[in-house]
Amino acid sequence: DQQVKQNSPSLSVQEGRISILNCDYTNSMFDYFLWYKKYPAEGPTFLISISSIKDKNEDGRFTVFLNKSAKHLSLHIVPSQPGDSAVYFCAASAVTSGTYKYIFGTGTRLKVLA
Amino acid sequence: NAGVTQTPKFRILKIGQSMTLQCTQDMNHNYMYWYRQDPGMGLKLIYYSVGAGITDKGEVPNGYNVSRSTTEDFPLRLELAAPSQTSVYFCASSYSTGLNQFFGPGTRLTVL
Repeated sequence: DQQVKQNSPSLSVQEGRISILNCDYTNSMFDYFLWYKKYPAEGPTFLISISSIKDKNEDGRFTVFLNKSAKHLSLHIVPSQPGDSAVYFCAASAVTSGTYKYIFGTGTRLKVLA
Repeated sequence: NAGVTQTPKFRILKIGQSMTLQCTQDMNHNYMYWYRQDPGMGLKLIYYSVGAGITDKGEVPNGYNVSRSTTEDFPLRLELAAPSQTSVYFCASSYSTGLNQFFGPGTRLTVL
């Protein structure tokens, strides 16, 4: 049972345009969400996070939106750059026995075309 | 400051062999984690540790063991390798729970 879903395996966007990556979750207990970026042959690197008490968080070109009623979050990248081409994972967590354990989605491969 | 380092980068094992995947972090993080990533799938938590001497199971612990004798090191042990353990293994660390995790570069393991 996939608690965190990224239904688009891949996305292509022109350089300078907006990239929107989506993530849906099923567990209403999730209260903290992260986005990671992963290049080939490297480990994931942290991009941006959002707590369930917020509906938006911004960091430079990256903005994450959270819609709790729809159990949906999205990552917006504006403007998209060729260096943004990577696999993006969303992860969600809830505290269990005092520890956050993250459930990762399957990832979306973003290709930014020059 | 090397961050999270993992060795080896690649390994091929025969069914039934054992091995230890090494993970070291130099950021003085309390929390450490082991994940596996199968092709086309997300990362799944195998084991985690909240500090030296304390470990706990994650989502997919069967076939693995861990130990945490120091803050820096968190080795993952496979006792009887099986083809189902063919995967890429990532070690990660964080200063506290709930904070973003720093990942190592991964170990690609193939069991034949």
